[in-house]
Amino acid sequence: AQSVAQPEDQVNVAEGNPLTVKCTYSVSGNPYLFWYVQYPNRGLQFLLKYITGDNLVKGSYGFEAEFNKSQTSFHLKKPSALVSDSALYFCAVKGSGNTPLVFGKGTRLSVIA
Amino acid sequence: KAGVTQTPRYLIKTRGQQVTLSCSPISGHRSVSWYQQTPGQGLQFLFEYFSETQRNKGNFPGRFSGRQFSNSRSEMNVSTLELGDSALYLCASSLGGTGFSYEQYFGPGTRLTVT
Repeated sequence: AQSVAQPEDQVNVAEGNPLTVKCTYSVSGNPYLFWYVQYPNRGLQFLLKYITGDNLVKGSYGFEAEFNKSQTSFHLKKPSALVSDSALYFCAVKGSGNTPLVFGKGTRLSVIA
Repeated sequence: KAGVTQTPRYLIKTRGQQVTLSCSPISGHRSVSWYQQTPGQGLQFLFEYFSETQRNKGNFPGRFSGRQFSNSRSEMNVSTLELGDSALYLCASSLGGTGFSYEQYFGPGTRLTVT
């Protein structure tokens, strides 16, 4: 069965510094990987996805993620954090075929001015 | 295009009652998935419907059920509510294909409180 691990419940970073939110996954076959963000009292918003191709994926709001097959990781990154990036971030993975999208438990990002 | 809508947004029920939540997907989307979000467990998958058929089911008791109508709208039902069912219930829609088109779009959720 597929699974996702987000090892950090909370990540704190100063505004202007680079940020990384970690994600590792386990899935049979080729993975489909996603990052979503959730702001308070809102549903999840799609940030980016990896299906195939370049290992570096660029998404919304300046975010990018790096797919590393050997380490089964898909870390979310941004070169310069903004206070408005403070939110809950979810990594998700889907396997091949009619398998569901499985989410990690989320990482709360706090960007401090 | 209008986004995913969920009704009601907030609900308070008493233990033992039942509840029905509704989700209207984005026009043209044929897949609807439901998730339960709690602070301790994160996002847990409940079930997915595609063209009125349940395609996947998560590890929840039989008190949780759902269905999808011919217009792709979906409902989920929870019977015999327990205090632990208090959560944010999220609905997501997608085109329903595999891989590239599997990107999901989420509604704002229904906040269920069981007292």
